[in-house]
Amino acid sequence: AQSVAQPEDQVNVAEGNPLTVKCTYSVSGNPYLFWYVQYPNRGLQFLLKYITGDNLVKGSYGFEAEFNKSQTSFHLKKPSALVSDSALYFCAVRDPSRGSTLGRLYFGRGTQLTVWP
Amino acid sequence: NAGVTQTPKFQVLKTGQSMTLQCAQDMNHEYMSWYRQDPGMGLRLIHYSVGAGITDQGEVPNGYNVSRSTTEDFPLRLLSAAPSQTSVYFCASSRGQGASEQYFGPGTRLTVT
Repeated sequence: AQSVAQPEDQVNVAEGNPLTVKCTYSVSGNPYLFWYVQYPNRGLQFLLKYITGDNLVKGSYGFEAEFNKSQTSFHLKKPSALVSDSALYFCAVRDPSRGSTLGRLYFGRGTQLTVWP
Repeated sequence: NAGVTQTPKFQVLKTGQSMTLQCAQDMNHEYMSWYRQDPGMGLRLIHYSVGAGITDQGEVPNGYNVSRSTTEDFPLRLLSAAPSQTSVYFCASSRGQGASEQYFGPGTRLTVT
């Protein structure tokens, strides 16, 4: 079965500190992994993705994520958090070896990031 | 480009009423999908389409119908609204279903009383 887990419902960090939002996945094949961000009363926005190649991928707004196949993780990171980073973050996974139905995108439940001044 | 647009932004229905949530995209994307977002549940896929004339069920399709007569439009129909369908609905599109990221609309907040 395919799934994605975000073990923390909430992450709180001080502005200027590094942040990490955790994501682990379970797919049978080689995954495509995505991070999306949702600001209040808005739709989701794409941040970054891992398809293949370098395990460290860089995305929008200074975010990056590291793919770790042995730990089946894809944690989102930022070296220095901003108050404006406060939002709901979703990890998503797709198994491209499956068909169009089972190979769909699976979302985690989301992690609320709060960055205080 | 307007991207993905959804109407209405807010809607209140009575139990048993029907309605259609509209979704349109101007990016010539093949793949479109409908999700519902509920607190603590993340996003759950309702229906999706891989191209005009082709639709399929997602994770939670009961009580919803879709059709895809054009590349641009992908309406979601609630046949007989129930309080359990109170949710925020998002439409999304992408170039394909593989490595492409999805573009999301602003959402429709639906309340069924």
